[in-house]
Amino acid sequence: DTAVSQTPKYLVTQMGNDKSIKCEQNLGHDTMYWYKQDSKKFLKIMFSYNNKELIINETVPNRFSPKSPDKAHLNLHINSLELGDSAVYFCASSSDRGETQYFGPGTRLLVL
Amino acid sequence: KQEVTQIPAALSVPEGENLVLNCSFTDSAIYNLQWFRQDPGKGLTSLLLIQSSQREQTSGRLNASLDKSSGRSTLYIAASQPGDSATYLCAVVEYGNKLVFGAGTILRVKS
Repeated sequence: DTAVSQTPKYLVTQMGNDKSIKCEQNLGHDTMYWYKQDSKKFLKIMFSYNNKELIINETVPNRFSPKSPDKAHLNLHINSLELGDSAVYFCASSSDRGETQYFGPGTRLLVL
Repeated sequence: KQEVTQIPAALSVPEGENLVLNCSFTDSAIYNLQWFRQDPGKGLTSLLLIQSSQREQTSGRLNASLDKSSGRSTLYIAASQPGDSATYLCAVVEYGNKLVFGAGTILRVKS
């Protein structure tokens, strides 16, 4: 069983479109995260939710909006996609703040 | 602002060698430090987590140390194998649960 899963694995889309990436964890964790890994492979946190509440919101354009319908899910919606949004987006979860984070396989987004 | 630096950026060694990967961070007010492994095209796998009050953690052939006061951590890999080839990432967890990553060390172990 996959602990942290993301869909889709690959996403190719045109500039200006709106897209969503879904994340689900079956570990019973309370905290979930979204990270962006750019072309230089640098990983940066975007958002963190604890028990469906937003606790970290880095300097991310407001075109990016996370949504947590329940503790096991944290989806990422992106409006008006731009070329610079092309990256790999990773979802992660942990049992509590500061505990080991478990990562999903990533969603490779390419904006043309 | 916390900055995490990893040295070297890349490392190529013959199989069987013991090796050390270095990580330094600028703000010692951390909650813990984690080492991850990332295989090409894959997600991250957690290797070791060291709490800020601890000095080291061991798992199999891996040993990670932490010197919080000097802002340094090392990951020691004993008897390296080709299967150890991957990118190794160091990340510090700040209070508030924010994970700040280094750029990683790309390791290649030649058979």
